[in-house]
Amino acid sequence: AQSVTQLGSHVSVSEGALVLLRCNYSSSVPPYLFWYVQYPNQGLQLLLKYTTGATLVKGINGFEAEFKKSETSFHLTKPSAHMSDAAEYFCAACESSASKIIFGSGTRLSIRP
Amino acid sequence: GAVVSQHPSWVICKSGTSVKIECRSLDFQATTMFWYRQFPKQSLMLMATSNEGSKATYEQGVEKDKFLINHASLTLSTLTVTSAHPEDSSFYICSARDFLANQQSYEQYFGPGTRLTVT
Repeated sequence: AQSVTQLGSHVSVSEGALVLLRCNYSSSVPPYLFWYVQYPNQGLQLLLKYTTGATLVKGINGFEAEFKKSETSFHLTKPSAHMSDAAEYFCAACESSASKIIFGSGTRLSIRP
Repeated sequence: GAVVSQHPSWVICKSGTSVKIECRSLDFQATTMFWYRQFPKQSLMLMATSNEGSKATYEQGVEKDKFLINHASLTLSTLTVTSAHPEDSSFYICSARDFLANQQSYEQYFGPGTRLTVT
């Protein structure tokens, strides 16, 4: 069965520092991969997604993620953190666009002034 | 992008009563919608897949008689929490799937969520 693992339930970085949120997946087939952001008491906002093609995916708000099949990873990065980036981030995967999306456990990102 | 709405955005009800939550795709038709539950500081757990005109498919461990799902039209799915108890208090999020003909693939859009509190 497909699963998504996010390493680190809480990550804290200084404003202006690099953001790295880790995500690994297990799947019998190359998956579709997503990163979502959730602000308190709000729904999910899609940051970026990987389906096929270029393995480095650029998303909104300066975030990007790289699909590494050999490492079964899809880590999310941002070169310089802003205070407004503080939120919960979810990595997710599905086997095809028609499949149900499975979510990781989430990582709470805090930004220190 | 496509918009999915949920109503109500929050609801408080007494234990033992039933609560209905609506999920609508506003500018596209969705033959399939999904219902998720999210407890505080936890991830989204898929509860069921709702297919227009047919019975919903529930995930393992989800009581279908307690969480009634109806998908009577291509733009509306409803989740009814029957005989609600405090442990049903949660954030319920729906998503709707749209088929993008130009990409020959599906896209899933999430609603803003409904906060249910059972007292």
